Amino acid sequence: SQKIEQNSEALNIQEGKTATLTCNYTNYSPAYLQWYRQDPGRGPVFLLLIRENEKEKRKERLKVTFDTTLKQSLFHITASQPADSATYLCALEFGAGGTSYGKLTFGQGTILTVHP
Amino acid sequence: KAGVTQTPRYLIKTRGQQVTLSCSPISGHRSVSWYQQTPGQGLQFLFEYFSETQRNKGNFPGRFSGRQFSNSRSEMNVSTLELGDSALYLCASSLGDRYSGNTIYFGEGSWLTVV
Repeated sequence: SQKIEQNSEALNIQEGKTATLTCNYTNYSPAYLQWYRQDPGRGPVFLLLIRENEKEKRKERLKVTFDTTLKQSLFHITASQPADSATYLCALEFGAGGTSYGKLTFGQGTILTVHP
Repeated sequence: KAGVTQTPRYLIKTRGQQVTLSCSPISGHRSVSWYQQTPGQGLQFLFEYFSETQRNKGNFPGRFSGRQFSNSRSEMNVSTLELGDSALYLCASSLGDRYSGNTIYFGEGSWLTVV
């Protein structure tokens, strides 16, 4: 079965630095990979979506890369702020085999804490 | 534009009872998905509905069921509740007009505690 691993359960960085989160997967390559932010007690909030044929996507201070050879996605937050502290989830969507249609397969998440 | 709305926000049920959770998707969205989130298993896909038809289903027992109405609103039902059903149940909506690659938006969830 498909396995998704996010590099670490927790990541602590200083304000102003770049946070880099990793998402690795095994077996099949997803058609799409999405990143979400989740605050305690709240639902996930969509951040970025990247397709399998895209290498990189940016949105303001966020950048996502997708390497289907390494089976890995990197999620970067530049100039991090304490307000960026949250759990970040990567989610994969597989286009073939009838497994899509609203089905995202999530990693366990990385808890990011940005210290002032 | 209003987001995905879920009710109730919190509820406590007794083992053996059943529960119904409600979800109103973003206006114009026809796809509604349901997820269960627990500390041990993380976020897991339950099922997806589009235009009142279930298009996809996760690996959950038949006690978990859902439906979608003509206005795209959706409900999910869990019968014969077990302690292990305690979780945050999340509803998500999207346009759903493509097989994949639809941006999926989540509601705040319904916290279910089974005692």
